[in-house]
Amino acid sequence: EVQLVQSGAEVKKPGESLKISCKGSGYSFTSHWIGWVRQMPGKGLEWMGIIYPGDSETRYSPSFQGQVTISADKSISTAYLQWSSLKASDTAMYYCARHLLGYCSTATCNHYYYGMDVWGQGTTVTVSS
Amino acid sequence: QAVVTQEPSLTVSPGGTVTLTCGSSTGAVTSDHYPYWFQQKPGQAPRTLIYDTSNKHSWTPVRFSGSLLGGKAALTLSGAQPEDEAEYYCLLSYSGARPVVFGGGTKLTVL
Repeated sequence: EVQLVQSGAEVKKPGESLKISCKGSGYSFTSHWIGWVRQMPGKGLEWMGIIYPGDSETRYSPSFQGQVTISADKSISTAYLQWSSLKASDTAMYYCARHLLGYCSTATCNHYYYGMDVWGQGTTVTVSS
Repeated sequence: QAVVTQEPSLTVSPGGTVTLTCGSSTGAVTSDHYPYWFQQKPGQAPRTLIYDTSNKHSWTPVRFSGSLLGGKAALTLSGAQPEDEAEYYCLLSYSGARPVVFGGGTKLTVL
């Protein structure tokens, strides 16, 4: 069974650093993209970015580029989402998800396409002074 | 950059049929956007129902189906059950700097 298990809830102060994790099992971790989705309290889903653990290639949403760092340690099948200096506005639930990624190359379509199949259970991050 | 729109809320009677839609500010949604649909119940992680417009996962209930309808992606629920009450999100892929965009979600009430 494919599973993604995330680290536990975090309570931090503004300015502190944080790294949350997502451990994959039941599949070849290095052969699938894995990424992160933010959900602020009472709000919708926002795509943050992804990493390919096989070679550590990363892709970020412009909204999150420079704000967070996505990394992975393939030796322990774990992906990470990291902040160097948290803000109160980072308070949210963060989900990891295994991604499916492809490229369409036709007369009408020339771009990457993305989606998710299996999701982690979520990690709540609360940033408050 | 693209904005993906969904109905904020819909209500369906138990056993009834309802269609949720997913539109794009850039024009008609096509299979080139590779639409996905997700279900999220309160306090739970999202669950993927539909991928690439109309494909189902092994865990997707038969009563859910995906399609393109009138220039939008559509999720149709036929024979609604009380356990289908949830928030539903669509996802579209685009060329350019913002390649993946979620819709704002539709809160579906079964009543």
